[in-house]
This record gives sequence, C-alpha cells and structure tokens, in this order.
Amino acid sequence: AQTVTQSQPEMSVQEAETVTLSCTYDTSESDYYLFWYKQPPSRQMILVIRQEAYKQQNATENRFSVNFQKAAKSFSLKISDSQLGDAAMYFCAYRSALLIQDMRFGAGTRLTVKP
Amino acid sequence: ETGVTQTPRHLVMGMTNKKSLKCEQHLGHNAMYWYKQSAKKPLELMFVYSLEERVENNSVPSRFSPECPNSSHLFLHLHTLQPEDSALYLCASSAQASSYEQYFGPGTRLTVT
Repeated sequence: AQTVTQSQPEMSVQEAETVTLSCTYDTSESDYYLFWYKQPPSRQMILVIRQEAYKQQNATENRFSVNFQKAAKSFSLKISDSQLGDAAMYFCAYRSALLIQDMRFGAGTRLTVKP
Repeated sequence: ETGVTQTPRHLVMGMTNKKSLKCEQHLGHNAMYWYKQSAKKPLELMFVYSLEERVENNSVPSRFSPECPNSSHLFLHLHTLQPEDSALYLCASSAQASSYEQYFGPGTRLTVT
C-alpha cells in the first residue's frame, strides 16, 4: 500500500527566513503526482505546488519550491522568505496516475512563523 | 457564492440520528470528492464521483451514503454513526477526475454524541 510520511509534526521559522518541510512516500508505480497542500487555521485547504513524477525538473511557484528525489521517494517543500501568512498545516499528498481513487495524504506539518 | 461551499459548518448528532451534509461547487467541475479529516490522522479519501457516477468507495462503512444528483451538488447521508466518526468532513472538486488540482470546501465539523 502506498503511504505518505511527514516526519516533522511541527516546524517553526523566523519571518523572512527559509524552511524545508520533509515528505517521503512509498509506491511501486512509476507514474504519479505529488502535491503540497496548505491548510491555514479555520480556512480552506489550498494547493501550494504539484510535481509530476515523469518530470525531472523540480516545480517552483514563487517562494515555494520542491526537491523531488524520485529514486529516494522524497518530496520536500522549501519556503523562502517566509511570511506570517505562511503559518498553516502543510500536507504532502500522493496521487496515482492510474487510479484516481488512490489519493493519500501525510499526517501534516504545522508550520509556525515567528515575527 | 464562489468556489466550494459546504453546509452545515458544524453538526452535532446522536448515534441514532439521520443527517445529511451538503456540498456545492460553483466552478463548473465534473468531479467531486468526500474526505474525512480526523485528529492526528491523515486525510482519508472516502468517495469519488465523476460526471455524477461514483468511481470508488474506499471501503467506507455503509452508515455513510453519498449522493451526487448533478455535477454541482454532492451529499453525504449519515445514519447510526459512531463516536469515532466525529471528524471534519471535507468536500472537494476538480475539473475532471484526472485533474491535478482539487479545490476544497471549508468542511463540516461533525460531532457524534
């Protein structure tokens, strides 16, 4: 069974600094998608960034970038120039390219941003 | 209303009650999803609907019964729930079932007493 593991239940970062959130996953498939979702307190979950497994280039969205290591099954999220609004729960997620119902999330990392 | 909306936002029900959760998406999407978010557990995908047809039921107990009357609306009918069913129930939609991005609603916080 595919699993997604986030080993850091909580992280904190100083405003304007950089933080990296870790995620590892387990799969026997070669084609799949990986995501980072953000869930601010009492607010809706939104997609931060996605990565297609067949792409070697790491995805980037403004201050957010990933380090995708397919062989190691690792998918970390780097947040640069952290802002107070980045404080949230961050969830790593895996979705099979073959089975749309195979969507799995990690347990989440709570990120605190200190002013 | 924009995006994905869910009602009610909070629900308290006894184990013998019957209630329904409602989700509506205003994005013109063709796929909708129900997730369960329990404390200290990963988000679990419960049901997937594509073009109003249920694609998969991820081994969810029969006390949860989904309904998708059209591509904009999704319901989750609840009956004879257990206290361990207390959780945040999230609805999401995507353009197609194969689309990358899912848009989430704010969730319904369910407490079973």
